[in-house]
Parts: sequence; structure tokens; C-alpha cells
Amino acid sequence: GNSVTQMEGPVTLSEEAFLTINCTYTATGYPSLFWYVQYPGEGLQLLLKATKADDKGSNKGFEATYRKETTSFHLEKGSVQVSDSAVYFCALSDHAEGAQKLVFGQGTRLTINP
Amino acid sequence: EAGVTQFPSHSVIEKGQTVTLRCDPISGHDNLYWYRRVMGKEIKFLLHFVKESKQDESGMPNNRFLAERTGGTYSTLKVQPAELEDSGVYFCASSRAMGSYEQYFGPGTRLTVT
Repeated sequence: GNSVTQMEGPVTLSEEAFLTINCTYTATGYPSLFWYVQYPGEGLQLLLKATKADDKGSNKGFEATYRKETTSFHLEKGSVQVSDSAVYFCALSDHAEGAQKLVFGQGTRLTINP
Repeated sequence: EAGVTQFPSHSVIEKGQTVTLRCDPISGHDNLYWYRRVMGKEIKFLLHFVKESKQDESGMPNNRFLAERTGGTYSTLKVQPAELEDSGVYFCASSRAMGSYEQYFGPGTRLTVT
């Protein structure tokens, strides 16, 4: 079955540090890949997405590239801010199976200290 | 446009009691999903409605859970009787049409069963 594995947390960084949160996936078809973010007290928000191999999703300074050869979709940001503190979820949707549901990783809590 | 709303935001009930969670999707969104996150683990899919029909209910854990979407608008998820392991955060999401990649999430309902 389909699955997503992401970097164990929590992750604590200082402001302006470089961020990488690793995400790898297993899928039987041709998935679309997503990063969702949950800020304190809020629901999940789509941060970025990529729908085919070699696509790069980007938003708010975050980037992730769909790597089919390594089945990865790592999240990166060059200089994090305190406001980036949140829980980040990697997810996939495998439309080849006709399924619309999202399969999530376990989430990575990120804390940025000033 | 208003986002996905969920009610209540938090519910505390005793084992054996009944709880009903409500989700109002974004107006015009035919697809409605329920997910839950238990004990800080990954967010897991429960079921998917297309309008009033259940498209995929493969994630429903057992027959203590009943989801409805009468009229194809809001949805309810009833847990009867609740067990301790049902505690977690229940998320609702909606999307406009089949093949739409982005699901919009509500803030979640935190259910605590004591």
C-alpha cells in the first residue's frame, strides 16, 4: 500500500537557519505530493504541491522537488523565521488508484527560536 | 468565501457515551473527507463523500462510527459508543471536484474520551 515516511521531530532551529525536513514515499501508481502545515490553533493549510516527477513546488520561501528516482519530496527553506514554527505534514494522493484520499506522514514539529 | 468549519472545537465525553461531530464544507465543494489524528501519530483517512454518496469508506475503523451527508451539504460523524482509543483530532476537508488536487481543511475537533 501507499505510505509516507517523514523526519522524526521535534526539530528546533535558530532564526535564519537552513531547514530540511525529509520525506520519502511508497506508492503503487503516480502520486501527487504535498506539504501541509498546521500553525498553532489552526487547521491544516496546503503549503506546496507537485504533481509529477521533477516538479518543484514553492511557497513562502519553502521549496520541495518531486524526485521519482529517490521517491522523495524533502522540504527546504533557506532562512527560517519564528513565524515558521508549526507542524509540517508530508502527504501523497495516488490518483492512479482512483483514490482521492491523502496519505500522510506522522508530522514534524518545528520550533524556531529568536 | 468561508472556509471549512467544524463543530465543536473540543469535546470531552465518557467512555460509552455518544458524540456527533459536524463539518460544513466550502460552499459548492462536492467532495468531503474525514480524517483523524490519534495520539500525535499520522493523520489517517476515514472516508470520502461525493455529494451525498460515500465514495470510499475504507478507513472507517469499525461500526461504532457512522458518517452521513444528507443533501450533500454538511456532514456528521457519530461515534457510538465512544471508546478510549477514539480520542484524537478529527479533521474534515473539502474539494471542488474529482481530480482536484487541493483539499481545504477545517480546524479540527479534538475529541477526548475519558
